[in-house]
Amino acid sequence: GAGVSQSPSNKVTEKGKDVELRCDPISGHTALYWYRQSLGQGLEFLIYFQGNSAPDKSGLPSDRFSAERTGGSVSTLTIQRTQQEDSAVYLCASSLGAWDTQYFGPGTRLTVL
Amino acid sequence: AQSVSQHNHHVILSEAASLELGCNYSYGGTVNLFWYVQYPGQHLQLLLKYFSGDPLVKGIKGFEAEFIKSKFSFNLRKPSVQWSDTAEYFCAVNARNAGNMLTFGGGTRLMVKP
Repeated sequence: GAGVSQSPSNKVTEKGKDVELRCDPISGHTALYWYRQSLGQGLEFLIYFQGNSAPDKSGLPSDRFSAERTGGSVSTLTIQRTQQEDSAVYLCASSLGAWDTQYFGPGTRLTVL
Repeated sequence: AQSVSQHNHHVILSEAASLELGCNYSYGGTVNLFWYVQYPGQHLQLLLKYFSGDPLVKGIKGFEAEFIKSKFSFNLRKPSVQWSDTAEYFCAVNARNAGNMLTFGGGTRLMVKP
């Protein structure tokens, strides 16, 4: 079946601009996660959505980062006023439920000039 | 907060050599344990996982891992590597009662020489 999909695959932006990254989880998966993969910091958790519960935002690095999940499916990660240190690969994962195996999408490579 | 350590950052092996990649975590409660693999140009894929039961788990492509609770370890092994195993390997922990997120180790880059 279809896996997790993310768009765009690559995004180049100028410092100070806002960007939106999209994630389509596996159909039927109730949990959705965002992670960031960068050379200096490795793989870091950003935010987690489970069903209709309030999201766990404990990994967001600053208030410039936000995410929403509409209709319990598609999610958008928004980074406002991008900085060069935001350059990374942003990964989305989904799982059937809490504590289940997480399956990852191909990621969005963000480059902030 | 939990942490995950992978002892080897870079490993170079010849084909048919045996592989063992170390992974230790720090969390005293119940954990789910994973190894993910990222082949060049591809996204993270699940290699194997441990939730409960037999502490020796087998995954895809001949990989296996052993959960040793007393050592907080989940080492990955393969008796005979192939050139196609060249990839980056990540150990990850999902600690119950500490959030649903995965905490990843720093990764190990494996290069297998033909």
